[in-house]
Amino acid sequence: DTEVTQTPKHLVMGMTNKKSLKCEQHMGHRAMYWYKQKAKKPPELMFVYSYEKLSINESVPSRFSPECPNSSLLNLHLHALQPEDSALYLCASSQDSSGGRRDTQYFGPGTRLTVL
Amino acid sequence: QKEVEQNSGPLSVPEGAIASLNCTYSDRGSQSFFWYRQYSGKSPELIMSIYSNGDKEDGRFTAQLNKASQYVSLLIRDSQPSDSATYLCAVITGGGSEKLVFGKGMKLTVNP
Repeated sequence: DTEVTQTPKHLVMGMTNKKSLKCEQHMGHRAMYWYKQKAKKPPELMFVYSYEKLSINESVPSRFSPECPNSSLLNLHLHALQPEDSALYLCASSQDSSGGRRDTQYFGPGTRLTVL
Repeated sequence: QKEVEQNSGPLSVPEGAIASLNCTYSDRGSQSFFWYRQYSGKSPELIMSIYSNGDKEDGRFTAQLNKASQYVSLLIRDSQPSDSATYLCAVITGGGSEKLVFGKGMKLTVNP
């Protein structure tokens, strides 16, 4: 089973709203990732959590705030977003990030975010 | 220099033909290489991973890796219209990095 789930599937929010994206996996993976994907572009890495600790922040604006409450869950808190933040937000997980076959990443279905 | 380069597309092949997708990477220390398929409006789906030089076959898909040339490719045999999608080459950068770096993707259309 290589399932990563994400909620909600779609989200429309205003620039003053606060919302959260959720990601869950039950594969025992210890590394989880957030990506942002704009139309006709490849996914861009935002954050990496390894063993529930933030290990990579790709200079993402502070209006995006990640949280990893436990090894199965990953949240992305959104506040004061801009219309240019509209995109597909993808969560992924891997066994860990130590290299070799354990770093294979499996993606969730994504959340389509529209900021008005 | 971009870290992962894919041929500019799009690529169009007739049904039943072989589709060939190519990718080069710049980080010589990279050890893990992946091909993802992404249908329009959907998330990337892993179709192949390869870690050693040579060929790896899985059904109609063959991944080829040449670390000396820093080159990885994907062959799709007996292409089907359902293979029409964007194919993303991705590489875990070397040096202990946890970053999966994607190429820009190649849109493949298989014509019935």
